[in-house]
Amino acid sequence: AQSVTQLDSQVPVFEEAPVELRCNYSSSVSVYLFWYVQYPNQGLQLLLKYLSGSTLVESINGFEAEFNKSQTSFHLRKPSVHISDTAEYFCAVSLKTSYDKVIFGPGTSLSVIP
Amino acid sequence: DTGVSQNPRHKITKRGQNVTFRCDPISEHNRLYWYRQTLGQGPEFLTYFQNEAQLEKSRLLSDRFSAERPKGSFSTLEIQRTEQGDSAMYLCASSSGIPYGYTFGSGTRLTVV
Repeated sequence: AQSVTQLDSQVPVFEEAPVELRCNYSSSVSVYLFWYVQYPNQGLQLLLKYLSGSTLVESINGFEAEFNKSQTSFHLRKPSVHISDTAEYFCAVSLKTSYDKVIFGPGTSLSVIP
Repeated sequence: DTGVSQNPRHKITKRGQNVTFRCDPISEHNRLYWYRQTLGQGPEFLTYFQNEAQLEKSRLLSDRFSAERPKGSFSTLEIQRTEQGDSAMYLCASSSGIPYGYTFGSGTRLTVV
């Protein structure tokens, strides 16, 4: 069965500094990968996804993630964070062979410090 | 489209009572999912519907939990004989298929006292 590990439960970072949120997955078959974000008092939203093709994917608000098959990782990065990026970030995986179930990691709480 | 709607937003119930939650998905989405989220954890898969068919149910789900999606539209999640361990946020999501990602509702927060 697939699983997702997010090693950092909390990441504090100063405003305008770069950030990396780490995600590793385990699966014996090919996967789709996702990052979801949950802003305070809001529902989960899809941030970005990797399905196939280019291993570097980007979101509209400046985040990017790179799929690394050899390291089974899908780390999320942003070169310069804003206060508004403060949120809970969840890495998630779905088997390409399954009919749709997505498994979520435990989440990383990003706190941007002014 | 108003997105995925969940009702009620909050539910406080006494241990042993039955509760029912409702989810109205995005109308074009034929896939509907229920997840449970506890504080500090990621969403945990409960069950999945494609149209009106329930295709998978988590082994973590006891027989006290049941879900339906009549006519492939809205869905209900019922918990019978609630226990304090059932206290959590219950999330509903809908999708046109995995490549499109999920659209989540705001959730129903259940507190069992």
